[in-house]
Amino acid sequence: GDSVTQMEGPVTLSEEAFLTINCTYTATGYPSLFWYVQYPGEGLQLLLKATKADDKGSNKGFEATYRKETTSFHLEKGSVQVSDSAVYFCALSRRGGSNYKLTFGKGTLLTVNP
Amino acid sequence: GAVVSQHPSRVICKSGTSVKIECRSLDFQATTMFWYRQFPKQSLMLMATSNEGSKATYEQGVEKDKFLINHASLTLSTLTVTSAHPEDSSFYICSARDPRGTGELFFGEGSRLTVL
Repeated sequence: GDSVTQMEGPVTLSEEAFLTINCTYTATGYPSLFWYVQYPGEGLQLLLKATKADDKGSNKGFEATYRKETTSFHLEKGSVQVSDSAVYFCALSRRGGSNYKLTFGKGTLLTVNP
Repeated sequence: GAVVSQHPSRVICKSGTSVKIECRSLDFQATTMFWYRQFPKQSLMLMATSNEGSKATYEQGVEKDKFLINHASLTLSTLTVTSAHPEDSSFYICSARDPRGTGELFFGEGSRLTVL
């Protein structure tokens, strides 16, 4: 079955540090890939997505590239801010019949200190 | 973008009582909504798929008699936790699929249930 494996946290960085959160997946076919972010006390929000190989999703300074050869979708940001502190979830969506099924990784807690 | 709203955001109840959580799609019709449960420091666990006008589809291990799901209209799904116990305390999140067919999910703000 489909699965998503992401880097276990927690990750603690200083402001302006470089961020990488690794994510790899297992799925048949060509899934769409997502990064969702969950700020404290809130629901999940879509951060960025990529729907086909070599696509790069980007938003709010975050980037991730869909690498089919390595089945990866690592999240990166060149300079993190305190406001980026949140839990980040990698996910994939694959169409099964008439429905899309979303599979999440376990989430990575990021804390950015001033 | 599409908005999904949940209510209440926080609820505290006594053990043995029932609690209802609402999930609404505010600017689009959602024939299918999903209910997730999130334990502290863990990922989201899909509990059930709510289908408008028909019975919900529950994931393996989820008690359908305990977690009653009703999807009576194209914009509203409700989750009722019946005879709640402290171990039901959790963060419950609903979501609806992007009506444009991208595979993306739009999530509600979540409802934190505390059972005393």
